[in-house]
Amino acid sequence: DAGITQSPRHKVTETGTPVTLRCHQTENHRYMYWYRQDPGHGLRLIHYSYGVKDTDKGEVSDGYSVSRSKTEDFLLTLESATSSQTSVYFCAIRPGQGAGVEYNEQFFGPGTRLTVL
Amino acid sequence: GESVGLHLPTLSVQEGDNSIINCAYSNSASDYFIWYKQESGKGPQFIIDIRSNMDKRQGQRVTVLLNKTVKHLSLQIAATQPGDSAVYFCAENMYGGDDKIIFGKGTRLHILP
Repeated sequence: DAGITQSPRHKVTETGTPVTLRCHQTENHRYMYWYRQDPGHGLRLIHYSYGVKDTDKGEVSDGYSVSRSKTEDFLLTLESATSSQTSVYFCAIRPGQGAGVEYNEQFFGPGTRLTVL
Repeated sequence: GESVGLHLPTLSVQEGDNSIINCAYSNSASDYFIWYKQESGKGPQFIIDIRSNMDKRQGQRVTVLLNKTVKHLSLQIAATQPGDSAVYFCAENMYGGDDKIIFGKGTRLHILP
């Protein structure tokens, strides 16, 4: 599992409330990603990070913010959750080339199922 | 906009037969392609990748074929087993470019006994 954990694994919240999802890795990899997965859409990139305090937007970043204050943690925040943000959220890391890993091979966490009522 | 797509949302294959999962891409600048497998309740798992300077790459029981002329990618699974039941995603990226990977919508592979 490449030492990736996500918390919480399941969450139900109400519209308008803030929500923070956490991704934690134990391997000190530089690159980390947040995706959402919805039926009919596959995986879509929300935000990603290429180092501590270095982040960038993905294709569906509206309504989300991220922070990475230390290498091992990448936080995804929904400032004011909406029903359209009901989804399964996956975190991924990319070790980069070397040590038997392909350059762009990403390892995914177990996912967080978020329901916004 | 440009996207990665799949020809079939569901593919049913007899156990022991070969499976072929297809993918079309439209971004001509993409030069690196990846196949992922996702089992129920789990995150995607890397299977195999291929760069655009190749047209075929083989792994353990899997082969990826790339046809740049028609912008088509396929994943072949030999002697399909029950454990191959999953959703398969193709994805594209510019090798050495930014860190974004664009995923297709996925094909569900169903193994018939």
